[in-house]
Amino acid sequence: AQKVTQAQTEISVVEKEDVTLDCVYETRDTTYYLFWYKQPPSGELVFLIRRNSFDEQNEISGRYSWNFQKSTSSFNFTITASQVVDSAVYFCALSDTGRRALTFGSGTRLQVQP
Amino acid sequence: NAGVTQTPKFRVLKTGQSMTLLCAQDMNHEYMYWYRQDPGMGLRLIHYSVGEGTTAKGEVPDGYNVSRLKKQNFLLGLESAAPSQTSVYFCASSAATPNTEAFFGQGTRLTVV
Repeated sequence: AQKVTQAQTEISVVEKEDVTLDCVYETRDTTYYLFWYKQPPSGELVFLIRRNSFDEQNEISGRYSWNFQKSTSSFNFTITASQVVDSAVYFCALSDTGRRALTFGSGTRLQVQP
Repeated sequence: NAGVTQTPKFRVLKTGQSMTLLCAQDMNHEYMYWYRQDPGMGLRLIHYSVGEGTTAKGEVPDGYNVSRLKKQNFLLGLESAAPSQTSVYFCASSAATPNTEAFFGQGTRLTVV
């Protein structure tokens, strides 16, 4: 069975601080896909990034960066110079090649204080 | 530019009542899903469909039924609502190719009293 663990329930930072959200996953599949979604206070789910299990290249997109390490089964997400608009719940998710359904972590609520 | 649309957005039911949640997508996606979101638990898969006319159970299917009579629609039914089904329900769809993200509807907040 697949499992995603986001150990950080809530993080509070002051604007302009860097923050890293942790994600650890478990799967028996050799091919799988990892995702990060953002859920702002308005409630919708916004896709941020996806990674294949065979692509460990890390990525930077503006203030966002992702660190995928297969050896430790981790897919961490860093926001550099956080802003109040980054306040949201962030979900890490894992899918397989069969159902394609997502297994979600419990989410990390990020609060960025001005 | 609709994407995934859920109807209704809010609903209050009495215990024992039935209702159907409608999900419609206009992206010609093969795969569709229903999730529920409860505080502190992330989203959990209720049922899913890999194509028109097919459905399958997810992790928490009890008390729900689904139908996918048309490719663009995925219906979630509650035959006899219970307070434990108070939740926010999300529908999602994705393309057939593996390396694609799922697109989510705006959610339906259901309260069973």
